[in-house]
Amino acid sequence: DAGVIQSPRHEVTEMGQEVTLRCKPISGHDYLFWYRQTMMRGLELLIYFNNNVPIDDSGMPEDRFSAKMPNASFSTLKIQPSEPRDSAVYFCASSSNPGQGGGNQPQHFGDGTRLSIL
Amino acid sequence: QKEVEQNSGPLSVPEGAIASLNCTYSDRGSQSFFWYRQYSGKSPELIMSIYSNGDKEDGRFTAQLNKASQYVSLLIRDSQPSDSATYLCAVNIFSLGKLTFGTGTRLQVTL
Repeated sequence: DAGVIQSPRHEVTEMGQEVTLRCKPISGHDYLFWYRQTMMRGLELLIYFNNNVPIDDSGMPEDRFSAKMPNASFSTLKIQPSEPRDSAVYFCASSSNPGQGGGNQPQHFGDGTRLSIL
Repeated sequence: QKEVEQNSGPLSVPEGAIASLNCTYSDRGSQSFFWYRQYSGKSPELIMSIYSNGDKEDGRFTAQLNKASQYVSLLIRDSQPSDSATYLCAVNIFSLGKLTFGTGTRLQVTL
């Protein structure tokens, strides 16, 4: 079975540039999550969607970050303009969930995008 | 107090020994608990889930949940060098309505 697919795997770009990260969730999963992982802060939830609708974006650090889910099989996380402090590994995860808040079922992670902003 | 707390380690155990990893959480109403393994440079991989008080065994792994004391643990029997990784505890924090991860415990299994 295909897992969560993320692209690109690595992205190196200069400060000020727009960055777009992409995610395809597991088919049939109606919850999609975007996380950021750094050594200092660990794994942080940025935003999650249920049935393509953003439910909680309280983890999005600032207005430079935006996320969309135009359909059940695709989501993007965009950073514009990018800054060096955005350098991190960004993970997308998906799950099915009959219960509250997207947390009652395990989440399955993609391989991540390693982002470096110079 | 953090919502989910783990000792960062490293926890060093000899090959063949039992590794015990612990996690405490803040919200007594939490109902879903997960252990993920993350190798360096890789994504988190689900290894155990537990929802009820007591023990749940899967091969060399046993998850233990004590809701009254608000802790969940992971035991790894017959530890192997391939078990060396960071283990993340994740809890569906009821009051937050979302899965929250601890910062992880790094396990080193020595030969």
